[in-house]
Amino acid sequence: AQSVTQLGSHVSVSEGALVLLRCNYSSSVPPYLFWYVQYPNQGLQLLLKYTTGATLVKGINGFEAEFKKSETSFHLTKPSAHMSDAAEYFCAVTRPRTNTGNQFYFGTGTSLTVIP
Amino acid sequence: ETGVTQSPTHLIKTRGQQVTLRCSSQSGHNTVSWYQQALGQGPQFIFQYYREEENGRGNFPPRFSGLQFPNYSSELNVNALELDDSALYLCASSLGAGASSYEQYFGPGTRLTVT
Repeated sequence: AQSVTQLGSHVSVSEGALVLLRCNYSSSVPPYLFWYVQYPNQGLQLLLKYTTGATLVKGINGFEAEFKKSETSFHLTKPSAHMSDAAEYFCAVTRPRTNTGNQFYFGTGTSLTVIP
Repeated sequence: ETGVTQSPTHLIKTRGQQVTLRCSSQSGHNTVSWYQQALGQGPQFIFQYYREEENGRGNFPPRFSGLQFPNYSSELNVNALELDDSALYLCASSLGAGASSYEQYFGPGTRLTVT
């Protein structure tokens, strides 16, 4: 079975400071991992994904995440926070299926506040 | 390229009623997944449709049912509504097979309130 734990339901950072949002996963097989962002009253937007290959993945808006198998982690980082980064962030895991399609398991989310 | 659209945006229903939510997938996508997002929670997988057939189901009772049409649009039907069904319902589309199927594009959601 797959599951995701996001440590810290609320994170506050100053504008220009490092953003670090934590995600740990549980999976019985090599996982595919994702970060999504959700702005108020909107759907989810894909920030970045890890499937195979390079463990450090870069996404949109300056975000990146590193897949660390030994730590079962996929933390999201951004060197310098911007006011527009304030949103809800979700980590998700899926397991590749042998036929088609896939089921995503989402964490409970981390609300990021950026302080001017 | 048209993104994922959902209708209606908001809906208020009474306990015991039935509701149908609609989703149009992104152009070229043949897989649609539905999620329930309760307030303050992450999305929970309801089910997925691939080429008009159910292709996986989460831990939701049978009163949650769905359809996918030949144009790959989809419906989510919920019968005998309960207060706990109040949530944001998200639809996501993707291209069925292969690595690209892991890129799910979400619609803006339908906010359902059950009173």
